Amino acid sequence: DVKVTQSSRYLVKRTGEKVFLECVQDMDHENMFWYRQDPGLGLRLIYFSYDVKMKEKGDIPEGYSVSREKKERFSLILESASTNQTSMYLCASSPRSMNTEAFFGQGTRLTVV
Amino acid sequence: GIQVEQSPPDLILQEGANSTLRCNFSDSVNNLQWFHQNPWGQLINLFYIPSGTKQNGRLSATTVATERYSLLYISSSQTTDSGVYFCAVASGGSYIPTFGRGTSLIVHP
Repeated sequence: DVKVTQSSRYLVKRTGEKVFLECVQDMDHENMFWYRQDPGLGLRLIYFSYDVKMKEKGDIPEGYSVSREKKERFSLILESASTNQTSMYLCASSPRSMNTEAFFGQGTRLTVV
Repeated sequence: GIQVEQSPPDLILQEGANSTLRCNFSDSVNNLQWFHQNPWGQLINLFYIPSGTKQNGRLSATTVATERYSLLYISSSQTTDSGVYFCAVASGGSYIPTFGRGTSLIVHP
């Protein structure tokens, strides 16, 4: 079974802190994604990566950056956390092909106080 | 980009009832998935179904790609079916899933 693991289920951080959300997948997938989920808005894409050291902005990249130094790991970085970044963050991975499934981690509920 | 609309936004059922959830999309797709988000936030893969019909127990799904919609059927619903159901599609040369806003389902005992 594909496994996508996010480092934390719940996080509480202070405004202005630098925050790292980690995601690891064990299926040698090329593509990895970070989404945020807010009530009534569905999932919105923050960043994605199609290979090591490659990254592309999604629909809402402002305030975020990412890092992909190894194929299995994709990190989301909040450079200076703000209260409007309080949200559910979901990581996903998929193989390179367009015609395949994406698999999600368990999610990280981040609260910025 | 492609637009994805799900209906209804909310659905409340009694245990044992049947339901149909709909996903409309604005362009041709090469990838369509249905997910169930459980109360703990985990997205569970239900179906990968860019076209055709599939069944898995009490759940089945049909995608009519030429008419740009997909349907998820839940029969004999159970309280454990509660949660949010998402449709996600990818179109053109993209492999990036674009999500609808989901259908929130509550099944009462």
